[in-house]
Amino acid sequence: DTAVSQTPKYLVTQMGNDKSIKCEQNLGHDTMYWYKQDSKKFLKIMFSYNNKELIINETVPNRFSPKSPDKAHLNLHINSLELGDSAVYFCASREGLHPNTGELFFGEGSRLTVL
Amino acid sequence: DQQVKQNSPSLSVQEGRISILNCDYTNSMFDYFLWYKKYPAEGPTFLISISSIKDKNEDGRFTVFLNKSAKHLSLHIVPSQPGDSAVYFCAASPYSGNTPLVFGKGTRLSVIA
Repeated sequence: DTAVSQTPKYLVTQMGNDKSIKCEQNLGHDTMYWYKQDSKKFLKIMFSYNNKELIINETVPNRFSPKSPDKAHLNLHINSLELGDSAVYFCASREGLHPNTGELFFGEGSRLTVL
Repeated sequence: DQQVKQNSPSLSVQEGRISILNCDYTNSMFDYFLWYKKYPAEGPTFLISISSIKDKNEDGRFTVFLNKSAKHLSLHIVPSQPGDSAVYFCAASPYSGNTPLVFGKGTRLSVIA
């Protein structure tokens, strides 16, 4: 029973398209995140949500819009896709907002390729 | 601006020997450090952590050492096993507050049988 699940796992699309990646966690955690791992392999925070409320937005272009319909879901919608958006996107969750509430649990990642 | 640096992209070790993975950080606000392990096509999984009140934390074959004055931590795996072959990410953050985990680029460990 997967704790943090993301769909789709792979996504290939053309420049200019709009796409969404969905994330669900069944751990009962309050806090969810989106991380991006680009070609340089850094895992960089994009957004964090705590109980459906946006907490962190790390200078991500506004073409990226996260949506949290409830605390178990955090979806990522990307408009007008660009070549530089090609990356692996990881969803993660944690019990609470602060690091002292436990470790991050990651999904398997969604590999986005923009042609 | 790389606040967490893993300067060795890869490391090869013989089975049964010690693996030492290194990590440096620049942000003096960081006082909580973690190692994550990642297999291909999977998400990172938590391995071990240490807070700045300690200089060592051990969990089975895995030990993390923290040198605050040098802003350096290392992960020791003894003895190394083929199943340890993975990418290891170092991560850091303040222990409290909203600051998210900052990750290094990872070190790919290959344990050769």
